Amino acid sequence: EDQVTQSPEALRLQEGESSSLNCSYTVSGLRGLFWYRQDPGKGPEFLFTLYSAGEEKEKERLKATLTKKESFLHITAPKPEDSATYLCAVQAGNYGQNFVFGPGTRLSVLP
Amino acid sequence: DTEVTQTPKHLVMGMTNKKSLKCEQHMGHRAMYWYKQKAKKPPELMFVYSYEKLSINESVPSRFSPECPNSSLLNLHLHALQPEDSALYLCASRQGRGNGHNEQFFGPGTRLTVL
Repeated sequence: EDQVTQSPEALRLQEGESSSLNCSYTVSGLRGLFWYRQDPGKGPEFLFTLYSAGEEKEKERLKATLTKKESFLHITAPKPEDSATYLCAVQAGNYGQNFVFGPGTRLSVLP
Repeated sequence: DTEVTQTPKHLVMGMTNKKSLKCEQHMGHRAMYWYKQKAKKPPELMFVYSYEKLSINESVPSRFSPECPNSSLLNLHLHALQPEDSALYLCASRQGRGNGHNEQFFGPGTRLTVL
């Protein structure tokens, strides 16, 4: 069965304190791994797609990396506006139509 | 433009009511999704339409009835819901053409409350 776990469940950082979020997955035939940011009561906002081990993507203070078993979202010098829940999802299934989400990491960045 | 729109934003309904949620995208995407999300939980897949055909139904109760009238529109018809169905209902779309752009784009959601 395809599974995604994320750690930590919640993370509090001081502004400027860099850290990493982890997404571990078990899936038969990874077609893609995705990172989303979600603010309370809103729809997830797409951040990154990673397709193969060794791939890296960057956007502002965020950098996503992928290995054969996990992905990391590195946050460099975070700001309070980076506070959100970060969701990881994998694309699975015979035709790649099924997306399995991890439980998310709730990030709080304190000024 | 990566916009998916959903209406209404909020919906309150009784257990005997019939209502519909609507989702629209004009990105030319051919795969559209309905998710249910409870507070502090990840989105939970309900239905997938691919090229206007229902391709995945994750054992959702029949009180939820999806419809895809054309490639841009997705509806979710609701009837005889239970209070535990109260949640944020999210629509998403993706290209669905297998050309390497597999990411989903989500709408803002409809906050549903069942009394």
